[in-house]
Amino acid sequence: QKEVEQDPGPLSVPEGAIVSLNCTYSNSAFQYFMWYRQYSRKGPELLMYTYSSGNKEDGRFTAQVDKSSKYISLFIRDSQPSDSATYLCAMSESGTYKYIFGTGTRLKVLA
Amino acid sequence: ETGVTQSPTHLIKTRGQQVTLRCSSQSGHNTVSWYQQALGQGPQFIFQYYREEENGRGNFPPRFSGLQFPNYSSELNVNALELDDSALYLCASSLYRLAGGTDTQYFGPGTRLTVL
Repeated sequence: QKEVEQDPGPLSVPEGAIVSLNCTYSNSAFQYFMWYRQYSRKGPELLMYTYSSGNKEDGRFTAQVDKSSKYISLFIRDSQPSDSATYLCAMSESGTYKYIFGTGTRLKVLA
Repeated sequence: ETGVTQSPTHLIKTRGQQVTLRCSSQSGHNTVSWYQQALGQGPQFIFQYYREEENGRGNFPPRFSGLQFPNYSSELNVNALELDDSALYLCASSLYRLAGGTDTQYFGPGTRLTVL
């Protein structure tokens, strides 16, 4: 079993839809949770960074962490064709340098 | 503020050769991490450098080695290239604070290595 599981998709939604992206994990020591967006043949771009449990909102993006269920989510409101990319979740333990990534979910927002 | 830069963008090598990839950290950052991303997969941690020393290593063989320079730029060296080394190699920089540990990692555009 992988430490971090993420559905690879692809996930296709119409423009304006609310998108829900999810990851599950098995390591209860994870304390930091990140979401990155990666366009084709580019490096990952940090979207959200959360410490421990709770919600965090930034513009159209909301990140949720439920440590009791070992489950994290990223919601994208009013999705746009420019949001079409691969979304990677990443996690790390407190005091460590090593990020563990999911495989990424490919999202397509249709105009 | 200058972001993370990597060179070259693309590279083609043959099996058995050696390769050096380069990374310049984001301004103000003192730590560099390297990741390997195979097609359709998430990035996998190779190692991290802080104060010019290796600060941690993932599950990669010794033929993967690195350097960090006084200006916090870094190199990734891979010897005896294998076909499975074909991947996008990503560099990420961050700020390590003695009091608070390592801050968020910011990634460069990557170097795409093809081994034939």
